[in-house]
Amino acid sequence: SAVISQKPSRDICQRGTSLTIQCQVDSQVTMMFWYRQQPGQSLTLIATANQGSEATYESGFVIDKFPISRPNLTFSTLTVSNMSPEDSSIYLCSVVTSGERETQYFGPGTRLLVL
Amino acid sequence: AQSVTQPDIHITVSEGASLELRCNYSYGATPYLFWYVQSPGQGLQLLLKYFSGDTLVQGIKGFEAEFKRSQSSFNLRKPSVHWSDAAEYFCAVGATGGGGTSYGKLTFGQGTILTVHP
Repeated sequence: SAVISQKPSRDICQRGTSLTIQCQVDSQVTMMFWYRQQPGQSLTLIATANQGSEATYESGFVIDKFPISRPNLTFSTLTVSNMSPEDSSIYLCSVVTSGERETQYFGPGTRLLVL
Repeated sequence: AQSVTQPDIHITVSEGASLELRCNYSYGATPYLFWYVQSPGQGLQLLLKYFSGDTLVQGIKGFEAEFKRSQSSFNLRKPSVHWSDAAEYFCAVGATGGGGTSYGKLTFGQGTILTVHP
C-alpha cells in the first residue's frame, strides 16, 4: 500500500478565488488521479495526473478550471480555479502503486466549502 | 462504458446480524472489482478486490465478496456486523484495458450507507 497525505485537509473559500490542493505519496507510484465527491454523492474522476506532461481530463472537466501538475513520481497538485459554491466538495487524490497492479489507494481528502 | 449500481442507498442492521450489500456492474469484459469503505470524515479504505481466479475473495475486517459473472454482481458480505462497521460502502469497477486510455480509472457506485443498531 501507500501512505498518502493531502494539504489542506479542509478549507473555506470565497467565490471567485482559487485553491491549490497538494498530494504527497511516501513511495513512487505509477499513476495518480484526482477525484471529486460532491455532497451526498459518489466519487467522480476528474483527471489522471501525468508526470511531466499535461493531465488527461475526463468528460466535463477542463484544464482551465482544474489545472493539475505532477512534477515527479510522488507529488501532484490540483487547483480549483475561480471557485463557485458548486465546487464545494471533497477532493481526493488516488494512486496506483508499482507493486500492486490496478489497485488504487486514496488520500484522506480535502474538504472544500465555497461561500 | 462501465457502470456500477448499488441498489440499496441505506441499510440498517442490528449488531451481530449478517450483512449483504449488493453491487451490480456493467462492463464488456471481466472487470477489476473493488469494495471501499468510507467512515464519516475519513478517506476511502480498500476492503477487498477481485482481479481473477477464485470468485470468493476475502478482505479486511472480516468482509468477503463473491464475483458472479452470470449475474454481473459483486456482493459484499459479513457474517456478523459490529457497531464499528457503520459507514458508507462503495463498490467500484476498474477497466482492464492495460495501457489504454481507460487504464486505471475507477467507476464508483452511488454508495450504501450502513447503520448498525446496538
